[in-house]
Amino acid sequence: AQTVTQSQPEMSVQEAETVTLSCTYDTSESDYYLFWYKQPPSRQMILVIRQEAYKQQNATENRFSVNFQKAAKSFSLKISDSQLGDAAMYFCAYIPGNTPLVFGKGTRLSVIA
Amino acid sequence: NAGVTQTPKFQVLKTGQSMTLQCAQDMNHEYMSWYRQDPGMGLRLIHYSVGAGITDQGEVPNGYNVSRSTTEDFPLRLLSAAPSQTSVYFCASSYRGTNYGYTFGSGTRLTVV
Repeated sequence: AQTVTQSQPEMSVQEAETVTLSCTYDTSESDYYLFWYKQPPSRQMILVIRQEAYKQQNATENRFSVNFQKAAKSFSLKISDSQLGDAAMYFCAYIPGNTPLVFGKGTRLSVIA
Repeated sequence: NAGVTQTPKFQVLKTGQSMTLQCAQDMNHEYMSWYRQDPGMGLRLIHYSVGAGITDQGEVPNGYNVSRSTTEDFPLRLLSAAPSQTSVYFCASSYRGTNYGYTFGSGTRLTVV
């Protein structure tokens, strides 16, 4: 079975500090796509950042960046200059081949003022 | 507004009742999926479709039926509701399901009593 593991059920960070959320995955595919989704209390799923496995360069979107280690099957999310609005559930997900998204169980991030 | 529209947003059912959760998208996306979200479990795939007339089962398909007669619509049917189906349901769509990621509806909170 293809799986995604988020080992940190909960994390907290001080406002303006940096936090890293961990994610590992298991796939036999050589080409796939990785994503981080944010789910605020409104429960809307918001795409934060995506990474194509064949690209070695780590994706960056403003304060959000990833550390993609293909050999280790690791895909962590770094949030810099954390803001109160970053508080949410964060889900790591990937698309193995031609199938729908496979999600991890999520990490709940709290931001402390 | 372009996007994925789910109805209803909230629903209470009695055990044994049937109902259909509606999902429509106006982005001409080929791929559509249904997920359920339960506390501590992340999002789990129920059924998915890669085009009109084509559907397949996901991780947790029991008790649910789908059909895809048009590109725009992908309804999820609960045949005989059970308390175990109390959950938040998300519909998502994607252009060919790969690096573009998925666009999600706002979810349906279903309670079965």
